Amino acid sequence: GENVEQHPSTLSVQEGDSAVIKCTYSDSASNYFPWYKQELGKRPQLIIDIRSNVGEKKDQRIAVTLNKTAKHFSLHITETQPEDSAVYFCAASYSGSYIPTFGRGTSLIVHP
Amino acid sequence: SAVISQKPSRDICQRGTSLTIQCQVDSQVTMMFWYRQQPGQSLTLIATANQGSEATYESGFVIDKFPISRPNLTFSTLTVSNMSPEDSSIYLCSVGDRRETQYFGPGTRLLVL
Repeated sequence: GENVEQHPSTLSVQEGDSAVIKCTYSDSASNYFPWYKQELGKRPQLIIDIRSNVGEKKDQRIAVTLNKTAKHFSLHITETQPEDSAVYFCAASYSGSYIPTFGRGTSLIVHP
Repeated sequence: SAVISQKPSRDICQRGTSLTIQCQVDSQVTMMFWYRQQPGQSLTLIATANQGSEATYESGFVIDKFPISRPNLTFSTLTVSNMSPEDSSIYLCSVGDRRETQYFGPGTRLLVL
């Protein structure tokens, strides 16, 4: 089955810096890659996703890049703010499965 | 996206007892799932709740321990049976849309003493 590795497990940055979280996947059939943000005590919420026919997608301060050949994808957050502090999960799935495989999560801490 | 609610939001239970968690969606959805999230951990799929048939369980989860009902396309329940402290966790229901994106309910925080 699919295996998703996520790094780093913890990321500490100063407000205004950029943050990058990286994930690799093992199944070349995977073609859908969502990212979730989970604030303390809250539910995981989808913040951005990308499909394998696209190499990059941006939404304001966040962007996701995908390298199908290398089987890795990354989340980029620019101009970080304290409210970006949360646990971020990457995931991978393939068409028809409806069930993503999640990474272990990255705890992002943004210091004011 | 659909609005998902769960009841109870949290509970403290004694070992050996059972707790039933309810998940309600404000629109009909085909795909509903139950996840467990242990403290500081990722999301682990327990089962897919199938409407009108038995749930499909992931490896390591069995129907006797986690019976699931799905009587219609807007509602599902998960029961955690014969609880032990190891069952202390957050239990989340989720729904999948046509784009195969999953959306999560607010979760049920369970503490077993």
